[in-house]
Amino acid sequence: AQSVTQLGSHVSVSEGALVLLRCNYSSSVPPYLFWYVQYPNQGLQLLLKYTSAATLVKGINGFEAEFKKSETSFHLTKPSAHMSDAAEYFCAVSSASGSARQLTFGSGTQLTVLP
Amino acid sequence: KAGVTQTPRYLIKTRGQQVTLSCSPISGHRSVSWYQQTPGQGLQFLFEYFSETQRNKGNFPGRFSGRQFSNSRSEMNVSTLELGDSALYLCASSLGRAGADTQYFGPGTRLTVL
Repeated sequence: AQSVTQLGSHVSVSEGALVLLRCNYSSSVPPYLFWYVQYPNQGLQLLLKYTSAATLVKGINGFEAEFKKSETSFHLTKPSAHMSDAAEYFCAVSSASGSARQLTFGSGTQLTVLP
Repeated sequence: KAGVTQTPRYLIKTRGQQVTLSCSPISGHRSVSWYQQTPGQGLQFLFEYFSETQRNKGNFPGRFSGRQFSNSRSEMNVSTLELGDSALYLCASSLGRAGADTQYFGPGTRLTVL
């Protein structure tokens, strides 16, 4: 079984400040990990994914995430927040075997960027 | 390349009715997955279709069903609607490979059940 925990349902940062969104996963097999962003009244857009090629993954819009197996974490960061980053962010996991195309999502983190 | 499209975008139904939602995947994608998003339960997997066959199914009652056509377009049907079925229904398409296969999401269909 797989699961994802996102710590903090709401995160507020000032424009220009560091963004840190936390994600911890549980998986009995090597995981594939994803971060998606959702803007109001829209679907999910892929930010980045971890596929075991490199532990530090760079994504779109300046976001990156680091896979830490010992901590079972895949936290999302961005050095400098922009007003346009305000949205809801979802961490998701799928496994390298079995029903691998099924994504299991965390509960989401709403990011607010303050001027 | 055009993205995933879903129709209709908004739908209002009453309890007991049935509804059909449509999803057109990205050209060349053979896998279509459906997810339900609600404020209380978050994003939950409904089912996945690949080459016209249901390959995986989530924990939803039999009132939720789907199908996929030979051109990979997919439809999802919900019969005997309940108030709790009000949600955003998201469709995602992918190549259908295992593991790191990236799913690309459509804008969703917002279903309101009165």
